[in-house]
Amino acid sequence: ETGVTQTPRHLVMGMTNKKSLKCEQHLGHNAMYWYKQSAKKPLELMFVYSLEERVENNSVPSRFSPECPNSSHLFLHLHTLQPEDSALYLCASSQEIFSPLHFGNGTRLTVT
Amino acid sequence: EDQVTQSPEALRLQEGESSSLNCSYTVSGLRGLFWYRQDPGKGPEFLFTLYSAGEEKEKERLKATLTKKESFLHITAPKPEDSATYLCAVQAYTGNQFYFGTGTSLTVIP
Repeated sequence: ETGVTQTPRHLVMGMTNKKSLKCEQHLGHNAMYWYKQSAKKPLELMFVYSLEERVENNSVPSRFSPECPNSSHLFLHLHTLQPEDSALYLCASSQEIFSPLHFGNGTRLTVT
Repeated sequence: EDQVTQSPEALRLQEGESSSLNCSYTVSGLRGLFWYRQDPGKGPEFLFTLYSAGEEKEKERLKATLTKKESFLHITAPKPEDSATYLCAVQAYTGNQFYFGTGTSLTVIP
């Protein structure tokens, strides 16, 4: 595996479910990110980790909970989501914090 | 307020018909400007970084240029496989965060 891998590719969940998104990077990078991409809107930064420490949390609702157990793995835990949370969730990594980003192919999340 | 505006929102070209995409930005101290390509169902793919006005980068049929207020992505003699959404992002020295535009959706017709 090379680059940034995200699983699952697609996820449908009810508003009362709990699920997790997984991201793994094979690039030896030190920083990892979660972005939200909605139609007709700019990419929205959610969380940033540098060397497993969270360095940015952009006023994201508490129903989204990130976890970074090591520099290669990043999770986004989801619970009691709302339909407006339906979007493409992108994971990215970079050599150092805020150097050029390398993205995974995203998880398409639908909240019903 | 730091922001990025891309135009046009959508562009349809005949194969071989050259054109340019625009990315206008306002940022307090530009650290870098980045171009990405995004294919349907995939994440953005990094293309170029530009750091200072006057800088140019090229890759195959793509050439990116930068001024103090905007960047252009020139596409020369495009092919159908160049069809994608092209995203622009800027990074300021203060805060380090990337600010993305909403993208230009390019369709190249054979």
